[in-house]
Amino acid sequence: AQTVTQSQPEMSVQEAETVTLSCTYDTSESNYYLFWYKQPPSRQMILVIRQEAYKQQNATENRFSVNFQKAAKSFSLKISDSQLGDTAMYFCAFMKPPGDSNYQLIWGAGTKLIIKP
Amino acid sequence: GAVVSQHPSWVICKSGTSVKIECRSLDFQATTMFWYRQFPKQSLMLMATSNEGSKATYEQGVEKDKFLINHASLTLSTLTVTSAHPEDSSFYICSTPGTGRSETQYFGPGTRLLVL
Repeated sequence: AQTVTQSQPEMSVQEAETVTLSCTYDTSESNYYLFWYKQPPSRQMILVIRQEAYKQQNATENRFSVNFQKAAKSFSLKISDSQLGDTAMYFCAFMKPPGDSNYQLIWGAGTKLIIKP
Repeated sequence: GAVVSQHPSWVICKSGTSVKIECRSLDFQATTMFWYRQFPKQSLMLMATSNEGSKATYEQGVEKDKFLINHASLTLSTLTVTSAHPEDSSFYICSTPGTGRSETQYFGPGTRLLVL
Protein backbone atom coordinates (compact mmCIF):
# COMPACT_ATOMS: atom_id res chain seq x y z
CA ALA A 1 0.00 0.00 0.00
CA GLN A 2 1.08 3.53 -0.65
CA THR A 3 2.04 5.81 2.22
CA VAL A 4 2.88 9.50 2.42
CA THR A 5 5.04 10.92 5.20
CA GLN A 6 5.41 14.53 6.21
CA SER A 7 7.97 14.68 8.99
CA GLN A 8 7.55 18.34 9.93
CA PRO A 9 4.41 18.90 12.01
CA GLU A 10 4.98 22.64 12.20
CA MET A 11 7.30 25.25 10.74
CA SER A 12 7.55 28.99 11.02
CA VAL A 13 9.56 31.53 9.04
CA GLN A 14 9.73 35.26 8.67
CA GLU A 15 7.87 36.95 5.87
CA ALA A 16 9.89 37.09 2.62
CA GLU A 17 12.04 34.12 3.59
CA THR A 18 12.19 30.87 1.67
CA VAL A 19 10.86 27.70 3.27
CA THR A 20 10.95 24.07 2.21
CA LEU A 21 8.40 21.49 3.31
CA SER A 22 9.38 17.86 3.06
CA CYS A 23 7.38 14.88 1.85
CA THR A 24 8.39 11.32 1.22
CA TYR A 25 6.24 8.51 -0.09
CA ASP A 26 6.36 4.82 -0.59
CA THR A 27 5.07 3.05 -3.67
CA SER A 28 5.94 0.29 -6.07
CA GLU A 29 4.22 2.09 -8.93
CA SER A 30 6.27 3.63 -11.71
CA ASN A 31 3.68 6.15 -12.78
CA TYR A 32 1.67 8.27 -10.40
CA TYR A 33 0.80 11.83 -9.44
CA LEU A 34 1.94 13.92 -6.50
CA PHE A 35 0.25 17.00 -5.14
CA TRP A 36 0.67 19.73 -2.60
CA TYR A 37 -2.56 21.11 -1.21
CA LYS A 38 -2.93 24.12 1.04
CA GLN A 39 -5.62 24.44 3.70
CA PRO A 40 -5.78 28.00 5.09
CA PRO A 41 -7.73 28.89 8.24
CA SER A 42 -10.92 28.95 6.13
CA ARG A 43 -10.32 25.19 5.70
CA GLN A 44 -10.99 25.30 1.96
CA MET A 45 -8.56 22.92 0.26
CA ILE A 46 -6.56 24.61 -2.48
CA LEU A 47 -4.29 22.92 -4.99
CA VAL A 48 -0.81 24.44 -4.85
CA ILE A 49 1.08 22.33 -7.33
CA ARG A 50 1.08 18.91 -8.95
CA GLN A 51 3.72 16.66 -10.44
CA GLU A 52 3.41 13.73 -12.79
CA ALA A 53 5.97 11.07 -12.00
CA TYR A 54 6.92 10.40 -15.61
CA LYS A 55 7.90 14.05 -16.06
CA GLN A 56 11.47 14.67 -15.01
CA GLN A 57 11.12 18.44 -14.91
CA ASN A 58 10.14 19.82 -11.54
CA ALA A 59 6.81 21.63 -11.49
CA THR A 60 6.69 25.33 -10.68
CA GLU A 61 3.83 27.73 -10.01
CA ASN A 62 5.01 31.27 -9.43
CA ARG A 63 6.61 31.29 -5.95
CA PHE A 64 5.98 27.59 -5.45
CA SER A 65 8.25 24.90 -6.80
CA VAL A 66 8.94 21.27 -6.06
CA ASN A 67 12.04 19.15 -5.84
CA PHE A 68 10.92 15.78 -7.14
CA GLN A 69 13.42 13.00 -6.57
CA LYS A 70 11.80 9.87 -7.96
CA ALA A 71 14.52 7.43 -6.96
CA ALA A 72 14.53 8.76 -3.41
CA LYS A 73 10.71 8.98 -3.39
CA SER A 74 10.92 12.53 -2.19
CA PHE A 75 8.67 15.45 -3.13
CA SER A 76 9.50 18.65 -1.28
CA LEU A 77 7.77 22.00 -1.70
CA LYS A 78 9.72 25.24 -1.77
CA ILE A 79 7.96 28.52 -1.13
CA SER A 80 9.99 31.56 -2.12
CA ASP A 81 9.42 35.10 -0.86
CA SER A 82 6.90 33.81 1.66
CA GLN A 83 3.85 35.93 2.35
CA LEU A 84 1.50 36.18 5.31
CA GLY A 85 -1.21 34.60 3.17
CA ASP A 86 0.89 31.47 2.89
CA THR A 87 0.08 30.66 6.51
CA ALA A 88 -1.82 27.37 6.29
CA MET A 89 -1.70 23.62 6.67
CA TYR A 90 0.07 22.03 3.75
CA PHE A 91 -0.70 18.48 2.73
CA CYS A 92 1.27 16.26 0.43
CA ALA A 93 -0.82 13.72 -1.47
CA PHE A 94 -0.23 10.75 -3.78
CA MET A 95 -2.46 9.28 -6.45
CA LYS A 96 -2.01 6.25 -8.66
CA PRO A 97 -3.02 6.63 -12.28
CA PRO A 98 -6.79 7.17 -12.52
CA GLY A 99 -7.44 3.79 -14.07
CA ASP A 100 -5.90 2.10 -11.04
CA SER A 101 -7.14 4.38 -8.30
CA ASN A 102 -10.53 5.85 -9.14
CA TYR A 103 -8.82 9.18 -8.34
CA GLN A 104 -8.39 8.34 -4.66
CA LEU A 105 -5.76 10.45 -2.89
CA ILE A 106 -3.41 9.18 -0.19
CA TRP A 107 -2.67 11.99 2.24
CA GLY A 108 0.24 12.94 4.41
CA ALA A 109 -0.30 14.12 7.98
CA GLY A 110 0.25 17.75 7.06
CA THR A 111 2.66 20.52 8.00
CA LYS A 112 1.43 23.65 9.70
CA LEU A 113 3.27 26.62 8.22
CA ILE A 114 3.26 29.95 10.00
CA ILE A 115 4.60 33.05 8.27
CA LYS A 116 5.58 35.70 10.80
CA PRO A 117 5.46 39.42 9.97
CA GLY B 1 -12.89 26.94 -12.63
CA ALA B 2 -14.99 24.07 -11.33
CA VAL B 3 -16.91 24.83 -8.15
CA VAL B 4 -18.22 22.47 -5.51
CA SER B 5 -20.60 23.77 -2.86
CA GLN B 6 -21.47 22.23 0.48
CA HIS B 7 -24.48 22.94 2.64
CA PRO B 8 -24.70 23.65 5.46
CA SER B 9 -21.33 25.15 6.23
CA TRP B 10 -21.92 24.98 9.96
CA VAL B 11 -24.47 22.95 11.91
CA ILE B 12 -25.15 22.34 15.58
CA CYS B 13 -27.52 19.57 16.53
CA LYS B 14 -28.67 17.64 19.55
CA SER B 15 -27.44 14.15 20.24
CA GLY B 16 -29.68 11.55 18.62
CA THR B 17 -30.80 13.66 15.68
CA SER B 18 -29.81 13.16 12.04
CA VAL B 19 -27.98 15.69 9.94
CA LYS B 20 -27.80 15.80 6.15
CA ILE B 21 -24.87 17.41 4.37
CA GLU B 22 -25.22 18.22 0.68
CA CYS B 23 -22.41 18.47 -1.80
CA ARG B 24 -23.17 19.94 -5.23
CA SER B 25 -21.08 20.38 -8.33
CA LEU B 26 -22.21 23.70 -9.73
CA ASP B 27 -20.97 23.77 -13.30
CA PHE B 28 -19.91 20.25 -14.10
CA GLN B 29 -20.95 16.67 -13.56
CA ALA B 30 -19.49 14.66 -10.72
CA THR B 31 -19.54 10.94 -11.35
CA THR B 32 -17.45 10.17 -8.30
CA MET B 33 -17.56 11.91 -4.93
CA PHE B 34 -15.21 11.37 -2.00
CA TRP B 35 -16.34 12.08 1.55
CA TYR B 36 -13.77 12.89 4.21
CA ARG B 37 -13.80 13.80 7.84
CA GLN B 38 -11.09 15.88 9.42
CA PHE B 39 -10.36 16.34 13.11
CA PRO B 40 -8.58 19.50 14.29
CA LYS B 41 -4.94 19.67 13.26
CA GLN B 42 -5.16 16.32 11.50
CA SER B 43 -5.20 15.14 7.94
CA LEU B 44 -8.19 14.15 5.84
CA MET B 45 -9.57 10.71 6.53
CA LEU B 46 -11.46 9.11 3.67
CA MET B 47 -14.82 7.82 4.81
CA ALA B 48 -16.38 6.61 1.59
CA THR B 49 -16.47 6.91 -2.17
CA SER B 50 -19.76 7.36 -3.93
CA ASN B 51 -20.48 6.85 -7.59
CA GLU B 52 -23.59 8.21 -9.25
CA GLY B 53 -26.31 5.62 -9.43
CA SER B 54 -24.60 2.96 -7.32
CA LYS B 55 -23.95 2.16 -3.70
CA ALA B 56 -21.12 3.91 -1.92
CA THR B 57 -17.94 2.09 -0.99
CA TYR B 58 -17.03 2.62 2.65
CA GLU B 59 -13.57 2.55 4.16
CA GLN B 60 -12.77 0.03 6.83
CA GLY B 61 -14.09 1.09 10.22
CA VAL B 62 -16.73 3.48 8.85
CA GLU B 63 -20.27 2.44 9.73
CA LYS B 64 -22.35 2.55 6.60
CA ASP B 65 -25.61 2.53 8.56
CA LYS B 66 -24.50 5.58 10.49
CA PHE B 67 -23.06 7.56 7.62
CA LEU B 68 -25.56 7.22 4.81
CA ILE B 69 -24.34 8.38 1.43
CA ASN B 70 -26.57 8.98 -1.54
CA HIS B 71 -25.40 9.98 -5.01
CA ALA B 72 -28.62 10.04 -6.97
CA SER B 73 -27.60 12.56 -9.59
CA LEU B 74 -24.46 13.75 -11.35
CA THR B 75 -24.55 17.05 -9.49
CA LEU B 76 -25.55 16.06 -5.97
CA SER B 77 -24.17 13.75 -3.32
CA THR B 78 -25.40 13.71 0.26
CA LEU B 79 -23.99 12.44 3.53
CA THR B 80 -26.44 11.85 6.36
CA VAL B 81 -25.10 11.36 9.85
CA THR B 82 -27.80 9.33 11.57
CA SER B 83 -28.41 9.42 15.32
CA ALA B 84 -25.50 11.79 15.75
CA HIS B 85 -23.43 11.70 18.93
CA PRO B 86 -20.80 14.10 20.26
CA GLU B 87 -18.01 11.90 18.90
CA ASP B 88 -19.37 12.56 15.39
CA SER B 89 -18.47 16.23 15.79
CA SER B 90 -15.95 16.94 13.09
CA PHE B 91 -15.29 18.76 9.82
CA TYR B 92 -16.69 16.96 6.79
CA ILE B 93 -15.37 17.61 3.28
CA CYS B 94 -16.43 16.34 -0.14
CA SER B 95 -14.29 16.27 -3.25
CA THR B 96 -14.65 15.12 -6.82
CA PRO B 97 -12.47 14.74 -9.91
CA GLY B 98 -15.45 15.70 -12.06
CA THR B 99 -16.26 13.86 -15.26
CA GLY B 100 -13.48 15.47 -17.23
CA ARG B 101 -11.28 12.90 -15.57
CA SER B 102 -8.90 15.48 -14.31
CA GLU B 103 -6.23 14.37 -11.89
CA THR B 104 -7.02 17.50 -9.92
CA GLN B 105 -9.69 17.19 -7.26
CA TYR B 106 -12.31 19.85 -6.64
CA PHE B 107 -13.13 20.31 -2.99
CA GLY B 108 -16.19 21.59 -1.25
CA PRO B 109 -15.64 24.24 1.43
CA GLY B 110 -16.50 21.77 4.19
CA THR B 111 -19.18 21.42 6.86
CA ARG B 112 -18.46 21.88 10.51
CA LEU B 113 -20.69 19.62 12.63
CA LEU B 114 -21.07 20.03 16.36
CA VAL B 115 -23.20 17.52 18.22
CA LEU B 116 -24.26 18.55 21.71
